[in-house]
Amino acid sequence: EVQLVESGGGLVKPGGSLRLSCAVSGFTFSSYSMNWVRQAPGQGLEWVACISSGGDYIYYADSLKGRFTISRDNAENSLYLEMNSLRVEDTAVYYCARDLTVKPCDYWGQGTLVTVSS
Amino acid sequence: QSVLTQPPSTSGTPGQRVTLSCSGRSSNLGSNPVHWYQQLPGTAPKLLIYSNYQRHSGVPDRFSGSRSGTSASLVISGLQSEDEGDYYCAAWDDSLSGLVFGGGTKLTVL
Repeated sequence: EVQLVESGGGLVKPGGSLRLSCAVSGFTFSSYSMNWVRQAPGQGLEWVACISSGGDYIYYADSLKGRFTISRDNAENSLYLEMNSLRVEDTAVYYCARDLTVKPCDYWGQGTLVTVSS
Repeated sequence: QSVLTQPPSTSGTPGQRVTLSCSGRSSNLGSNPVHWYQQLPGTAPKLLIYSNYQRHSGVPDRFSGSRSGTSASLVISGLQSEDEGDYYCAAWDDSLSGLVFGGGTKLTVL
């Protein structure tokens, strides 16, 4: 069974940093690209970033470039999102999702809530 | 403002057929396949339809998708109460080099 479990969310002050993790099981992690997608309270889905299976290709949403860094550790079956200079508007549930070229975000985790507030 | 445009809400009665629309531009729907996601209240999104019309595993054939030019549609036939939720379209955008989502359509089953 494909499973993705996010962790690392919480309350952080504006300007602060946070590192999210996504632990996966039930599939060969090193064979799949991975995404982060976020959803602000009461709002729609917003794609954040994706990373190729080997980590050599990385894409970010334009609005987040420079502040967020996606990475992965294939030996640990884990995906990460390093978030710096956090703003109130970064408050959202952050989901990790598996990716296939023809079938993006085919499996999702349950999400982890990040709240940026003073 | 989402890159892909979806009507914010729609409704239907049980058994009815409803159509959800999604419009974009040449850099996304005009050149890349569309995918549809279902998000039931309080849950994570789930892939429903990929590559325009392919049903993800376990998705009933009441759900069907299509794409033409820079527009796409999701049709739900035989509407059921458990279909109530939010539906999002998505596609890769060549200009933005990223996955773009529609703002979502909230489906209410009356």
